[in-house]
Amino acid sequence: GAGVSQSPSNKVTEKGKDVELRCDPISGHTALYWYRQSLGQGLEFLIYFQGNSAPDKSGLPSDRFSAERTGGSVSTLTIQRTQQEDSAVYLCASSLEGGAPQHFGDGTRLSIL
Amino acid sequence: KQEVTQIPAALSVPEGENLVLNCSFTDSAIYNLQWFRQDPGKGLTSLLLIQSSQREQTSGRLNASLDKSSGRSTLYIAASQPGDSATYLCAASTDSWGKLQFGAGTQVVVTP
Repeated sequence: GAGVSQSPSNKVTEKGKDVELRCDPISGHTALYWYRQSLGQGLEFLIYFQGNSAPDKSGLPSDRFSAERTGGSVSTLTIQRTQQEDSAVYLCASSLEGGAPQHFGDGTRLSIL
Repeated sequence: KQEVTQIPAALSVPEGENLVLNCSFTDSAIYNLQWFRQDPGKGLTSLLLIQSSQREQTSGRLNASLDKSSGRSTLYIAASQPGDSATYLCAASTDSWGKLQFGAGTQVVVTP
């Protein structure tokens, strides 16, 4: 597709379960970002990938959060042992290179029961 | 740490009026500043990106200015239309990697 694609669009899970969120960036975009948007905290940076490496993981809130990117393309954000405070919309963005305009997907709305 | 503030949080204007949205940031050593639009239940749409060396950028009815010395950026939308109703976010990047620090946004309603 032409834009950034995220799946699933909605995810409801029980506290303590693990979840995986997927991001397909725009083809040819080397930079990929994950952000989280919640009512109380606004939009927060989580992690940045350049190619398959993550030079900036400073926004990951705890060691329950991890992310990987393979083939310089698809990225997966994994949250282990989910907690209610993890409920938020998780947004992925990609850009041609770091510092270029970022193009966002529609996000995954995660609800922890 | 870079802090980005947007005031007001919400704004309502009649159709045809010009919109002025304000963004301030605490660290003047920015790499670039971006303005986005977000519609309910959707991701962000990039509107304009201003590099640190630039003073303004224009696209159609949109014009964004950047004043690093005062830590401010302003987004102007000329002749507003009901379709301009959305939340507008500004975000500053302080490195070439592009990590963005967002403001809380200004929710705009344009009434017919």
